[in-house]
Amino acid sequence: DAGITQSPRHKVTETGTPVTLRCHQTENHRYMYWYRQDPGHGLRLIHYSYGVKDTDKGEVSDGYSVSRSKTEDFLLTLESATSSQTSVYFCAITPTPRESYNEQFFGPGTRLTVL
Amino acid sequence: GQQVMQIPQYQHVQEGEDFTTYCNSSTTLSNIQWYKQRPGGHPVFLIQLVKSGEVKKQKRLTFQFGEAKKNSSLHITATQTTDVGTYFCAGRGTRLTGGGNKLTFGTGTQLKVEL
Repeated sequence: DAGITQSPRHKVTETGTPVTLRCHQTENHRYMYWYRQDPGHGLRLIHYSYGVKDTDKGEVSDGYSVSRSKTEDFLLTLESATSSQTSVYFCAITPTPRESYNEQFFGPGTRLTVL
Repeated sequence: GQQVMQIPQYQHVQEGEDFTTYCNSSTTLSNIQWYKQRPGGHPVFLIQLVKSGEVKKQKRLTFQFGEAKKNSSLHITATQTTDVGTYFCAGRGTRLTGGGNKLTFGTGTQLKVEL
């Protein structure tokens, strides 16, 4: 699916530890997104990127930072993980951000548990 | 900010019954997309609607975009066990509402189909 991989796929960590999730794509897509999915909330946008070193906040960005130093990699960092950040994290890309057509393709997800 | 509500949250049907999920946005949308997520999987793009009043069909699935471009629906005729999953709508705002290349996802409707 659009050459998107996420790592790790599962992680258990302790409160207060830093965590970095990686999204990797192989097709040089410009737009990349990080979402979290929680029961009753659907998918909520954390951060997104529209190019190398160009990022912006989504609706639930507090406690998260991102970096994009290469087109193919978009990293999501939890500087000091909290139990409220236990979630499933999805990375997504938009292959061709035309004016009126911008479907997103999702990676397989990372299940993060913060104890 | 833009909010997208989706109802119902859950729907349990017998195989062969019809199913409908409804999506309402707090602001006018430039387009709306629908995604399906199978249990344990990632969201998969189904379709995009752009025009006011647009209706599109994919086999047993019928998608509608409201005249005011603020609501949408997905109707499945004669459900099958393969329809099981969570269906999400996702709206893209207009330039006036800061749409850009971000999507706001609805909370999703989880469909279960019994034999």
